[in-house]
Amino acid sequence: QKEVEQNSGPLSVPEGAIASLNCTYSDRGSQSFFWYRQYSGKSPELIMFIYSNGDKEDGRFTAQLNKASQYVSLLIRDSQPSDSATYLCAVTLGTGGFKTIFGAGTRLFVKA
Amino acid sequence: DAMVIQNPRYQVTQFGKPVTLSCSQTLNHNVMYWYQQKSSQAPKLLFHYYDKDFNNEADTPDNFQSRRPNTSFCFLDIRSPGLGDAAMYLCATSRDFSSSLYEQFFGPGTRLTVL
Repeated sequence: QKEVEQNSGPLSVPEGAIASLNCTYSDRGSQSFFWYRQYSGKSPELIMFIYSNGDKEDGRFTAQLNKASQYVSLLIRDSQPSDSATYLCAVTLGTGGFKTIFGAGTRLFVKA
Repeated sequence: DAMVIQNPRYQVTQFGKPVTLSCSQTLNHNVMYWYQQKSSQAPKLLFHYYDKDFNNEADTPDNFQSRRPNTSFCFLDIRSPGLGDAAMYLCATSRDFSSSLYEQFFGPGTRLTVL
């Protein structure tokens, strides 16, 4: 059973701090890694994607991938109350190409 | 704007009464997915279409069926909804399966209530 694991949280950080969200996955051959943000009652929206080991930065967001450790993370700098949401980690498997497995998400709360 | 549209946004049905949820897309994507998401859980893939090819997940109940009459539209039919089928149903699309194009675009979802 291919799995994506996330700490369910809630993760609480003060406004302006760095929020660090972590995700591990079981399929060593996984190719693509995504972070989606989901507000309560809404659908997921893509925040970041990463395919190669290392860091990828986009504005206040940085995705980090370590395939050897089967670990992917999302850093949110200068956290804002509007960042309060559930963050879903999603991993596309290395076989059967299309299938993406989602984690259950980490609930982030940014305190004003 | 190109987008994924789901109708209705909220659906209430009675136990055992068939219901159909619809999804349309203006992205001209080859792949369309249906997910079921329950509170505080990961989206669970029910099935997907790659063009007209239908792929069912092994653990998707027979109670769930899907149709894709053309590139733009995809339907989810729940033949006899049970109380356990109450959930958010998410439609998503992706352009193709090549690794750089795996990103999925989600519709707003349909919240299904079963009485």
